Amino acid sequence: DQQVKQNSPSLSVQEGRISILNCDYTNSMFDYFLWYKKYPAEGPTFLISISSIKDKNEDGRFTVFLNKSAKHLSLHIVPSQPGDSAVYFCAASASVNTPLVFGKGTRLSVIA
Amino acid sequence: SQTIHQWPATLVQPVGSPLSLECTVEGTSNPNLYWYRQAAGRGLQLLFYSVGIGQISSEVPQNLSASRPQDRQFILSSKKLLLSDSGFYLCAWSVGGYGETQYFGPGTRLLVL
Repeated sequence: DQQVKQNSPSLSVQEGRISILNCDYTNSMFDYFLWYKKYPAEGPTFLISISSIKDKNEDGRFTVFLNKSAKHLSLHIVPSQPGDSAVYFCAASASVNTPLVFGKGTRLSVIA
Repeated sequence: SQTIHQWPATLVQPVGSPLSLECTVEGTSNPNLYWYRQAAGRGLQLLFYSVGIGQISSEVPQNLSASRPQDRQFILSSKKLLLSDSGFYLCAWSVGGYGETQYFGPGTRLLVL
């Protein structure tokens, strides 16, 4: 049973436009959500997180939106740059006593 | 600042051979440590996690084992590798609870032939 789902395996966006990566979850106990970025042959890098008491968190070009009623979160990258091309993983946790649950990732390609 | 090291970076091993991958963390005490595997074209699969020396939790039954001989050292082992053990192995650490932000190492690419 996949508790964190990233239904789009890939996404292509033109440089300068907005990239929107989506993530759905099924466990209503999840209260902390994260996005990681991964380049080939490297470890994932933490990007941004949000707790369930908020519906938006912004860090520079990256904004994460959380819709608890829909059990959906999204990562917006504005403006998209070629260096943003990578695999993006969504992750969630239900409490401090359970490990993070990761989605399968979405490969973002930003085309110049 | 905290840093995490993994070695080797790349490993090619024959089927049936043993395996030992090492991960060490610097700049923090009592970290939670994790081993993940990313198979080709797949997501991140949590293999083991540890809250302290000698304390290992396994997520999936498999051909692998983990040990934590020191506070900031985590080792992934196998007595006999299978072809299906090929993949990209990642070590990560966190502080506080297991559900907190994890920080990943550079990974080890393992190819079993």
